[in-house]
Amino acid sequence: ETGVTQTPRHLVMGMTNKKSLKCEQHLGHNAMYWYKQSAKKPLELMFVYNFKEQTENNSVPSRFSPECPNSSHLFLHLHTLQPEDSALYLCASSQEGQGAEKLFFGSGTQLSVL
Amino acid sequence: DAKTTQPPSMDCAEGRAANLPCNHSTISGNEYVYWYRQIHSQGPQYIIHGLKNNETNEMASLIITEDRKSSTLILPHATLRDTAVYYCIVRVINDYKLSFGAGTTVTVRA
Repeated sequence: ETGVTQTPRHLVMGMTNKKSLKCEQHLGHNAMYWYKQSAKKPLELMFVYNFKEQTENNSVPSRFSPECPNSSHLFLHLHTLQPEDSALYLCASSQEGQGAEKLFFGSGTQLSVL
Repeated sequence: DAKTTQPPSMDCAEGRAANLPCNHSTISGNEYVYWYRQIHSQGPQYIIHGLKNNETNEMASLIITEDRKSSTLILPHATLRDTAVYYCIVRVINDYKLSFGAGTTVTVRA
C-alpha cells in the first residue's frame, strides 16, 4: 500500500467511448503526476500538477484531458481514444520543495482500447 | 537523452547479494542518483537515493563512486520477490520531473 489509489484497475473501452481514470493520494502531497507505460517501453511523463496547477503537458494529444480538483485527487478523462493508447496508466504523487523528492506510485490502470 | 546506462538484464541467486551497476558519466553536481523498481504490472517503487555519499536503508545500499560517474545498488539478500525491473535515474535537485529509461530486468532464481 503506497498511499496512492487508482481506479479502475482494468478498463476496456471502445474508440467512441468516454471514460475517466481516478487517482487519490492519502499522503498529504502537493504534486501529482500521470505517466503512461506502453508495452515494452519506458514510462512516459504525461502531465504534472503542482498545487493543483498544471505545470507540465508533455505534448499529450487532446483526447487525454487531465483534471486536478484539489491536491488529493487527479483524474484523466479519455475520449475517442485509439488502439495505440492501450497501456498502463500510472498516477504518482510527491511532496515538492524539499530538494530530494520521492515519487509514490499507484498500481495503475491497465487500459485496452478496442 | 539517456543520462544513465544499465545492463538490460541480470540473474542472481536467492539469498545472495545482488549488485546492480549504473553508469552516469555526465552527471552534474546538482543531480541526485535515484533507484526505483517495478514489479510486474505494478507501479514503480522508490528504493533509495544519494548525492555523493553512500547510503543504506532497510531495502538496499547505494554505493556512489568518488567521481560520481557510476553507482551500484546492492540488495544484500535477494529473494524471489525482488524479481523486478530496476531503474537508475539522475534527477536535478528541486526538479519534479523523473525520467525513466529501460532499466535492468533482474531475475532472482531459487
